[in-house]
Amino acid sequence: AQTVTQSQPEMSVQEAETVTLSCTYDTSESDYYLFWYKQPPSRQMILVIRQEAYKQQNATENRFSVNFQKAAKSFSLKISDSQLGDAAMYFCAYGRYDATNKLIFGTGTLLAVQP
Amino acid sequence: NAGVTQTPKFRVLKTGQSMTLLCAQDMNHEYMYWYRQDPGMGLRLIHYSVGEGTTAKGEVPDGYNVSRLKKQNFLLGLESAAPSQTSVYFCASSPQRGRTDTDTQYFGPGTRLTVL
Repeated sequence: AQTVTQSQPEMSVQEAETVTLSCTYDTSESDYYLFWYKQPPSRQMILVIRQEAYKQQNATENRFSVNFQKAAKSFSLKISDSQLGDAAMYFCAYGRYDATNKLIFGTGTLLAVQP
Repeated sequence: NAGVTQTPKFRVLKTGQSMTLLCAQDMNHEYMYWYRQDPGMGLRLIHYSVGEGTTAKGEVPDGYNVSRLKKQNFLLGLESAAPSQTSVYFCASSPQRGRTDTDTQYFGPGTRLTVL
């Protein structure tokens, strides 16, 4: 069975600095996709970034980028120029290419941004 | 376009009471999901549906039932609530699988349920 591990329960970063959140996963599949979701205090789950395993190029969305290491089964999220609004819980999620689109989530990393 | 909505946003139940959570989506998505979120455990899949009239069990289905009579609605029922079901419940939907970003899941705002 697939598993997703986020080993950093909490992280802190200074405003305008860069922070990297870690995520590792375990799978025997060769084709899959990975997500980072953000959950601010409002509780709403917001998609941050998406990566397909067959793509070698790392996904980027403005200040958010990933470092996808398929062989190491690692999918870290880098937030550049951190802003106060980036403070949230961040979840890494794994999805298989099957007929269900089910996702497996990690336990989350709570990011604090210090002014 | 409201996306995914959930009713109610908050609810307090006594042990043994029943209730139904309603999820509605206006994006014409085929797939819908119910998750529960507990501290330190991330989101865990309760039940899901890959189309109108179909449902399937997820990771933690015990104590819950679901129905998908209409494509846009996915109901989660608790027949006899227990304190262990105190949680935040999220509904999500996604388009049918494909090699595009259309298989992303879109989430509702969540329902905080407390069972006393």
